[in-house]
Amino acid sequence: EDQVTQSPEALRLQEGESSSLNCSYTVSGLRGLFWYRQDPGKGPEFLFTLYSAGEEKEKERLKATLTKKESFLHITAPKPEDSATYLCAVQASYGGATNKLIFGTGTLLAVQP
Amino acid sequence: GAGVSQTPSNKVTEKGKYVELRCDPISGHTALYWYRQSLGQGPEFLIYFQGTGAADDSGLPNDRFFAVRPEGSVSTLKIQRTERGDSAVYLCASSAQPQNTGELFFGEGSRLTVL
Repeated sequence: EDQVTQSPEALRLQEGESSSLNCSYTVSGLRGLFWYRQDPGKGPEFLFTLYSAGEEKEKERLKATLTKKESFLHITAPKPEDSATYLCAVQASYGGATNKLIFGTGTLLAVQP
Repeated sequence: GAGVSQTPSNKVTEKGKYVELRCDPISGHTALYWYRQSLGQGPEFLIYFQGTGAADDSGLPNDRFFAVRPEGSVSTLKIQRTERGDSAVYLCASSAQPQNTGELFFGEGSRLTVL
């Protein structure tokens, strides 16, 4: 069964304290791995797409990396406005027309000033 | 508007009632998705439309749930004989074609509470 597991469930950082969030996945053929950010009361907001092991993407203080079994979201020198839930999702190769994403339960990040 | 619009933002209903949730996607987006998110969980796939047709409805939990997109734009998610376990935030998302990036644009969701 295709599955996405995120850790830790929650993370509290001081402003400027760098860290990483983990997303491990089991999928029958990976078409893509995606990171989203979700603020309270809002829908998820797309951040990155990764397609193959070794790929990296960066955006401001965030960098996403991918291996054959997991992805990391590295946060460098975070600011309070980076506080949110970060969701990881995979898109599998089912051989059909579906484009559905399978999401993990997310990591709730709190950055204190 | 520029984003995905969902109405109502909040819906409180009684067990056994019928509800409709509406999604107005970004103009020109041919792919439309419905997801359901329970507290503390990630979004759970329900159904995917490509144009007017449901390309994948494998996530609909049972036959009480149904969704339509008659003109390839606005979509309605319909839930019959609601149960307390249906309480969740129902998220709609759309994307442009060619769609293979997983870059979905989500609305703010409709929060459904079944008493």
